[in-house]
Amino acid sequence: NAGVTQTPKFQVLKTGQSMTLQCAQDMNHNSMYWYRQDPGMGLRLIYYSASEGTTDKGEVPNGYNVSRLNKREFSLRLESAAPSQTSVYFCASSSNRFPWYFGAGTRLSVL
Amino acid sequence: QKEVEQNSGPLSVPEGAIASLNCTYSDRGSQSFFWYRQYSGKSPELIMFIYSNGDKEDGRFTAQLNKASQYVSLLIRDSQPSDSATYLCAVPFGSGGSNYKLTFGKGTLLTVNP
Repeated sequence: NAGVTQTPKFQVLKTGQSMTLQCAQDMNHNSMYWYRQDPGMGLRLIYYSASEGTTDKGEVPNGYNVSRLNKREFSLRLESAAPSQTSVYFCASSSNRFPWYFGAGTRLSVL
Repeated sequence: QKEVEQNSGPLSVPEGAIASLNCTYSDRGSQSFFWYRQYSGKSPELIMFIYSNGDKEDGRFTAQLNKASQYVSLLIRDSQPSDSATYLCAVPFGSGGSNYKLTFGKGTLLTVNP
């Protein structure tokens, strides 16, 4: 039972490059979330998906897109990375309406 | 934007003592409150949530709500060195106060000294 799995764990991008962060959960949860965590800023919600086929914006959605591919997978895409997107990204899932289980995180640096 | 404030700490307590962590929130209408623990370099983990209808105890952890003063507390009894972590408070934000959208405080660093 892996829980919430995020890939990659680390990534370095150049400004303007694109990439997709992958997240998968094996707990049959309806809700999935993407957060970013910056020093001094706390956790901030980027997007969430209440159920398969639905997505909604969180607090800081600009510069990101998401796809709820199926019930297991929820991906986050940066179309044109900017230094301001340097952060630690966490995916979470839950059978409730709030985030319960978090993945290990992706540490992203944009140069 | 609803605000959630926490003292960044560090809060230092001796092993076996009670650690008291506080969180103030700006929206008087908030109905649910969440506490997460995050060890250094790790991901957050949910340790407790309460609703506005009362306090909650789970093992060594107790969450208490003071609606009049708009703060929620997390008490950790018999603190252990393994409790040393950053504790994050969160409340719903946005119209309707959906639990899907939580505003997190910046966290309080707790250090339990052996």
